[in-house]
Amino acid sequence: DIQMTQSPSSLSASVGDRVTITCRASQGIRSDLAWYQQKPGKAPKRLIYDASSLQSGVPSRFSGSGSGTEFTLTISSLQPEDSATYYCLQHNNYPPLTFGGGTKVEIK
Amino acid sequence: QVQLVQSGAEVKKPGASVKVSCKASGYTFTNYDITWVRQATGQGLEWMGWINLKSGDRGYAQKFQGRVTMTRNTAINTAYMELSSLRSDDTAVYYCGRVGGSVDYWGQGTLVTVSS
Repeated sequence: DIQMTQSPSSLSASVGDRVTITCRASQGIRSDLAWYQQKPGKAPKRLIYDASSLQSGVPSRFSGSGSGTEFTLTISSLQPEDSATYYCLQHNNYPPLTFGGGTKVEIK
Repeated sequence: QVQLVQSGAEVKKPGASVKVSCKASGYTFTNYDITWVRQATGQGLEWMGWINLKSGDRGYAQKFQGRVTMTRNTAINTAYMELSSLRSDDTAVYYCGRVGGSVDYWGQGTLVTVSS
């Protein structure tokens, strides 16, 4: 099975900062990757699909890039409401689906 | 609009079984797979398995093989996940999700607590 390694596991940044989260796949997955935001007590919310396509209704400060084995989620200007845990998900060889370990983003 | 509505919280004793439902609306039920994911408190997302709602084909993560059963009732647009031989470490929130490439819609989650 494909493994997804997500880094960092947590970060603390200030409002307005540029934040980058990375996922690395154990083998090539083309662009079959999505990014999710999860707030406490809530279901995950898809932000990005197909590695770089912005989900409808998601603020444009969120962007995704990458293909193959290296992927990045970028928040261009961190806002207070972006405090959450973020997960990547690969679906290249579905089934199975494989999640990254998560990145907890805190606001300084 | 697409909605997945799950059944309510459950408290079970070790060794028991639990069956969680996921009722879909707002789209053609059999056009998409349903997947199940769980999350223990403070932990990450763990994929459990999937079911094709048209054919009934299904597959499970190796960790849950022999303990999990995923089914569906197409007459009422509902998918089910049953987990047996419950242990304390099965205490978690269980989510259903619609598979549209990745998971595009999620249920609200069902807390299953396993406690003696």
